[in-house]
Amino acid sequence: DAGVIQSPRHEVTEMGQEVTLRCKPISGHDYLFWYRQTMMRGLELLIYFNNNVPIDDSGMPEDRFSAKMPNASFSTLKIQPSEPRDSAVYFCARSFPRGGGGMNTEAFFGQGTRLTVV
Amino acid sequence: AQSVSQHNHHVILSEAASLELGCNYSYGGTVNLFWYVQYPGQHLQLLLKYFSGDPLVKGIKGFEAEFIKSKFSFNLRKPSVQWSDTAEYFCAVNGEGNMLTFGGGTRLMVKP
Repeated sequence: DAGVIQSPRHEVTEMGQEVTLRCKPISGHDYLFWYRQTMMRGLELLIYFNNNVPIDDSGMPEDRFSAKMPNASFSTLKIQPSEPRDSAVYFCARSFPRGGGGMNTEAFFGQGTRLTVV
Repeated sequence: AQSVSQHNHHVILSEAASLELGCNYSYGGTVNLFWYVQYPGQHLQLLLKYFSGDPLVKGIKGFEAEFIKSKFSFNLRKPSVQWSDTAEYFCAVNGEGNMLTFGGGTRLMVKP
């Protein structure tokens, strides 16, 4: 998984609680993506960053969701307050520019965080 | 905005049958294309990728895909599937602004 570490692997929380998901990619001039996977909606892109700057957050479902990337080696996805319909697997992935100014490499995924909101 | 469409949501095959999974994308500019596989309970792993050059690309585990630019398609094929190919398969496009967008996935079940 090319150095993408997500924590926790599993999270069970009660409705209304704040949840913070973490992602640690190898630092560099990377792109970082947050995805949500559910049976009903498949793999949805929530937000992605380039060099720590959010590029597109149009996939973030509601204001309850927020994401930050304070530095090149750390990103968080926060849900406040959480709801049962937020239950899903959340993946973080990174890609980086290929040599010669071409488009990015493939994305390398973390193991995901399985979130259950009860 | 770019998007990816996978036509088959569920596919059931017997071992040794041939496989073709459809993928179409919508984006008029230059694209890179990918197929990923997700085994139960695991994260997504790259099967193959197209950046440029020969539109027929070969990946791991005997999979291949063909990029047909005029049809905006990137279909995945395998001549003879195995039980161990049971998984979910995702097509993805990297286009505008290096945004990586995935299709809805195809669940493949291979019967022994």
